[in-house]
This record gives sequence, C-alpha cells and structure tokens, in this order.
Amino acid sequence: NAGVTQTPKFQVLKTGQSMTLQCAQDMNHEYMSWYRQDPGMGLRLIHYSVGAGITDQGEVPNGYNVSRSTTEDFPLRLLSAAPSQTSVYFCASSYSNGARREAFFGQGTRLTVV
Amino acid sequence: AQSVAQPEDQVNVAEGNPLTVKCTYSVSGNPYLFWYVQYPNRGLQFLLKYITGDNLVKGSYGFEAEFNKSQTSFHLKKPSALVSDSALYFCAVRDLRSSNTGKLIFGQGTTLQVKP
Repeated sequence: NAGVTQTPKFQVLKTGQSMTLQCAQDMNHEYMSWYRQDPGMGLRLIHYSVGAGITDQGEVPNGYNVSRSTTEDFPLRLLSAAPSQTSVYFCASSYSNGARREAFFGQGTRLTVV
Repeated sequence: AQSVAQPEDQVNVAEGNPLTVKCTYSVSGNPYLFWYVQYPNRGLQFLLKYITGDNLVKGSYGFEAEFNKSQTSFHLKKPSALVSDSALYFCAVRDLRSSNTGKLIFGQGTTLQVKP
C-alpha cells in the first residue's frame, strides 16, 4: 500500500509562475485535504474535498485552486506563485465519516518561490 | 473558537529520562484529539488518539497520552526517551463545528530534542 503520494518533493518557482502539486491516495478515502506548514503556525487548511466532484475552501485558500475528478487524485494548483506561498505543503486523506479516525499524510512538497 | 495550543516551542530531555510534550485544547463538546510526529524531511505520522473511554491512551513507539477533561489537556508522554524520538510533534483536534468533520485543527508544534 502506497498510502498518500505527493509529487514533487521539492520545487523552486519564480514569482508569477504557475504549477500543480500532485496528490494521490490508494485507500479509497472520500475525504482529502491540503495543508500548508509554516514555522510556528502548525498546519493550516487550504482546501478540502469530501468526494469526487466536491471541493471547498479552508482557512487560507487565496492563490490556490483544486479539483477532484476522481476519488484517488486531488491536485493543488498555484495560479500565480508569490513569495508568501513559500511553504511545505501536505496532502492528507481519511474516511468521510471518519471524525474518529486518523488522517494519513503524504511526505510533503517543499516549495520555494523566488 | 476551537483551538489547540502547544505552549513549548522546544523540549529538551536526556536519553533515558521521561518526556512530556504539552497540549491544551479549547472545543465545544467532546474532543477528538490526535498526536502526530514529523521526522526531518518526512510527512506526519499518526501516533495516537483519544476519542472516548480510558483517559490514558497508548500509541506507537512507546508513546502514551493522558486526557484530562478538567484541565482541557492532552499531554504526550514517554517513560524513557530515545535519541531517535527527536522530531517535531503536533497535537490536533477534530473540528466538529460544521459538516467539514474531516478538518483537523493543529497546534503550533513542539520540537523534541533528546540528547545522548
């Protein structure tokens, strides 16, 4: 079982460039989400999805876009990268009725915007 | 507002000594609490959770946590620390306020440094 797979692991972007962070899970989880991790701030929710075709905003959605065409995949798009988006990004998945269950996280994408 | 606080940025402990990483929470209703660990350049790994029942929860790698409702705390503990326990630890609580019950609210994280 691969679990949650994120690509790429590292990325450097120039300001204004766009890119897509990939996330895939093989556990048939309905719920998927994207967090960003910044020093001293823990993890903050960017966007989430409760199933294919359904997405919604989290705490810090500005500058990011998501889609969920399949249960397995939940890509995160940076529309026009800014230095403030330099961060480590984590994708997570869990069962949709799984408030009592733990979430599974990918290994993260370290993004630097110059 | 629902929140989680980890009052210590860093905890230093000598190998073989007991360790405690503190977490307090503020939620309405019964809390679903989690601890995760992040090793350098790795993703978050689940350690343990409290949902209901016994206040002392046992988890992976010899860790345990004690739920204290009156003090709204969920401190992570281990009787004898190992150098390999050195990592970043996150406490989290499920946000049950809305239909987004998958959301986790995280504390700021505590770096645990275990010295030989």
